[in-house]
Amino acid sequence: ETGVTQTPRHLVMGMTNKKSLKCEQHLGHNAMYWYKQSAKKPLELMFVYNFKEQTENNSVPSRFSPECPNSSHLFLHLHTLQPEDSALYLCASSLGQYNSPLHFGNGTRLTVT
Amino acid sequence: GIQVEQSPPDLILQEGANSTLRCNFSDSVNNLQWFHQNPWGQLINLFYIPSGTKQNGRLSATTVATERYSLLYISSSQTTDSGVYFCAVSRLTFGEGTQLTVNP
Repeated sequence: ETGVTQTPRHLVMGMTNKKSLKCEQHLGHNAMYWYKQSAKKPLELMFVYNFKEQTENNSVPSRFSPECPNSSHLFLHLHTLQPEDSALYLCASSLGQYNSPLHFGNGTRLTVT
Repeated sequence: GIQVEQSPPDLILQEGANSTLRCNFSDSVNNLQWFHQNPWGQLINLFYIPSGTKQNGRLSATTVATERYSLLYISSSQTTDSGVYFCAVSRLTFGEGTQLTVNP
């Protein structure tokens, strides 16, 4: 599936760095999501945006800061991360917030050193 | 929250074999999907199936919402079917997945 594009594909950052992950969808969807997938663990929902408004924050630490300027773009701003934040970060979108299938991007593999 | 349990956790098949993967969930749901995560990490949407049966080529899925389970059938498996299969309910909760390995 190429409707959801994430950049960069890989990112290595130090604990004092600030970086951003970007997600863009070309599917005309209204809802966008960030998920975290750590090794050997199920995907965890982090944030949900519906029509640019944040509708869910799943108790995510403040060192992760999402931004949704419009229904097609979603960012995840990262600062002062910890090594345990190393994971695959996946963006998804869906037409509606509830009864619609999710479409995922390829993910950003983040390593915090 | 809803609990999701997938079985088996690991499955090894010879090419050409058939298999059934199961997803049990603890409460009624109105949204259930099956995904295949390939070795490069990409999640491919297989089925959106809150109830009923769907088929797509060698794959089919059935969800019995009243009994709180869903099944994914893979027939005539191929090496490219290898990867992790996840079910997800209501967008929020993913199972731990079934790691499928298909050997030539």
